[in-house]
Amino acid sequence: ETGVTQSPTHLIKTRGQQVTLRCSSQSGHNTVSWYQQALGQGPQFIFQYYREEENGRGNFPPRFSGLQFPNYSSELNVNALELDDSALYLCASSFQGGGYEQYFGPGTRLTVT
Amino acid sequence: KNEVEQSPQNLTAQEGEFITINCSYSVGISALHWLQQHPGGGIVSLFMLSSGKKKHGRLIATINIQEKHSSLHITASHPRDSAVYICAPGSSNTGKLIFGQGTTLQVKP
Repeated sequence: ETGVTQSPTHLIKTRGQQVTLRCSSQSGHNTVSWYQQALGQGPQFIFQYYREEENGRGNFPPRFSGLQFPNYSSELNVNALELDDSALYLCASSFQGGGYEQYFGPGTRLTVT
Repeated sequence: KNEVEQSPQNLTAQEGEFITINCSYSVGISALHWLQQHPGGGIVSLFMLSSGKKKHGRLIATINIQEKHSSLHITASHPRDSAVYICAPGSSNTGKLIFGQGTTLQVKP
């Protein structure tokens, strides 16, 4: 059983650029959730994908979009980056029928300058 | 008022002490998670529980669904327990986690 992996580990971008973050879910899981954690804050829910469809979204603008692939891996895309997008981005995979126990990846640290 | 309230926000203990972190929430939940986050960001799921009590090693988690309250206890605390502990109820509607602000624990030798 493989764990949840994320890439890249760290990333530096300039304001206005676009970024794609990737997450490989744990084997057997069909649901991926993305979270944003600003420095000193708790994580905030961005959205969740279940079987390749968006299944819930937090209070984030449309600049934040995602995809889930047939192998249940996922991407988070952020367009027109702003300085406030600097944060740790976490993904978590789960098997939705299993009581929502979520397994977290190590995160991607994004810095926008 | 936040949907999830944790207390205390910061906690310093001496090695060997018994530690309790409390979590109160206002939303309907399917289950509640206790998570541990070390410096550098990685999050580890410690417990998921929807009723009663769970124990894993020196860690014990309890939940009272009627009172919408959960506690995380650490027995015989150790400096390696130093981390941020986060309470995260899972919404019964969406399954998404709602995170508390976290409790920063420092255990001194």
